[in-house]
Amino acid sequence: EVQLVESGGGLVQPGGSLRLSCAASGFTLSNYWIHWARQAPGKGLAWVSRINYGGTYVSYADSVNGRFTISRDNAKNTVFLQMSNLRAEDTAVYYCTTLDSFVGYWGQGALVTVSS
Amino acid sequence: QSALTQPRSVSGSPGQSVTISCTGTNSDVGTYNYVSWYQQHPGKGPKLIIYDVSKRPSGVPDRFSGSKSGNTASLTISGLQAEDEADYYCCSSAGNFYVFGTGTNVTVL
Repeated sequence: EVQLVESGGGLVQPGGSLRLSCAASGFTLSNYWIHWARQAPGKGLAWVSRINYGGTYVSYADSVNGRFTISRDNAKNTVFLQMSNLRAEDTAVYYCTTLDSFVGYWGQGALVTVSS
Repeated sequence: QSALTQPRSVSGSPGQSVTISCTGTNSDVGTYNYVSWYQQHPGKGPKLIIYDVSKRPSGVPDRFSGSKSGNTASLTISGLQAEDEADYYCCSSAGNFYVFGTGTNVTVL
């Protein structure tokens, strides 16, 4: 069965850090660009970041640029999102996804709550 | 990096057609043919229903169709069914980044 499974979410204080993982099973993650998207409670989807097949190209939304770092370990079929200097407005469910690739894989999401 | 503009809500009776617009700029929708659409039911994750403006992934009914003209993309749901009641989001490449639409709630009357 094809799956993307996010982990690493939780409660963190403002200014803190958290690392999300996105593990793939049932397919080869290295065949796809991988994106992170997020959805604040009761709000719409927002694009966060993406990484190419080999991890040599990355890009970020302005709102997270300089604070978040995306990376991947293709040998472990896993993509990561390192989040630093977290703010209350980063509170959201974070999804890893192939986004607009024809396969359309999405994870179930990981909740990140930034609060004191 | 402004969100693409979608109507807040649309509605239709079973069997009818509804169209959702997604308006961007010539920096995103107007330039790139990487417009995709996602369906999201309450409490669930998004599901890809259209990619590359008008292509359907395997398993998506042909009631869903996509198109683009200038800076505006559109999603049409023909033969509306009860299970189509959900939130819909467009998304476009903008070169170095992507941008989602504001989201549209579809109600089946």
